[in-house]
Amino acid sequence: GESVGLHLPTLSVQEGDNSIINCAYSNSASDYFIWYKQESGKGPQFIIDIRSNMDKRQGQRVTVLLNKTVKHLSLQIAATQPGDSAVYFCAENSGGSNYKLTFGKGTLLTVNP
Amino acid sequence: NAGVTQTPKFRILKIGQSMTLQCTQDMNHNYMYWYRQDPGMGLKLIYYSVGAGITDKGEVPNGYNVSRSTTEDFPLRLELAAPSQTSVYFCASSRAQGAKEKLFFGSGTQLSVL
Repeated sequence: GESVGLHLPTLSVQEGDNSIINCAYSNSASDYFIWYKQESGKGPQFIIDIRSNMDKRQGQRVTVLLNKTVKHLSLQIAATQPGDSAVYFCAENSGGSNYKLTFGKGTLLTVNP
Repeated sequence: NAGVTQTPKFRILKIGQSMTLQCTQDMNHNYMYWYRQDPGMGLKLIYYSVGAGITDKGEVPNGYNVSRSTTEDFPLRLELAAPSQTSVYFCASSRAQGAKEKLFFGSGTQLSVL
């Protein structure tokens, strides 16, 4: 069945380092993936998305990589800053419904000064 | 623009009480959603709407009701609150084709049912 999971529930990095947050998915029919950032006490905020016809997409300081062979998604944050501290969720759309996103449980990223 | 606005931010209910969580958006989005987030878990879709007058169930609709009389507003109703409904509720909207468009979320309503 559908599932979206994260390899690491917590990640602690030093300011200025690069961060990599991983996500595994099991539904090979998923054709759209999205990363959200959720700061404490706030709603999720869109970071970046990628469609299944792409392997890589870059944004401002963030890169999403999609490996369909092993059903793996990752979010890379360059030069991590204290403001990047948050919970990061990946989500997938399996294609069966235009309105349902399956969310992972999230990874807590802590940036140490 | 205010984006997606939810009220109240916090609420404590007794078992069996009813309440309505308000959600309004000023982006003229057709698509609106209600999610719940339990501690340490991902978001689960409760209900969604593709436009005024049209609503449909998500993954976890039991115990909830919604209405969509206008494009802007999408209230969520809890009729007989139960402890299992203790959660953080998020309203969201999107421009089109919700699950393949980025969602704009409100700041959430933290609900405790005691």
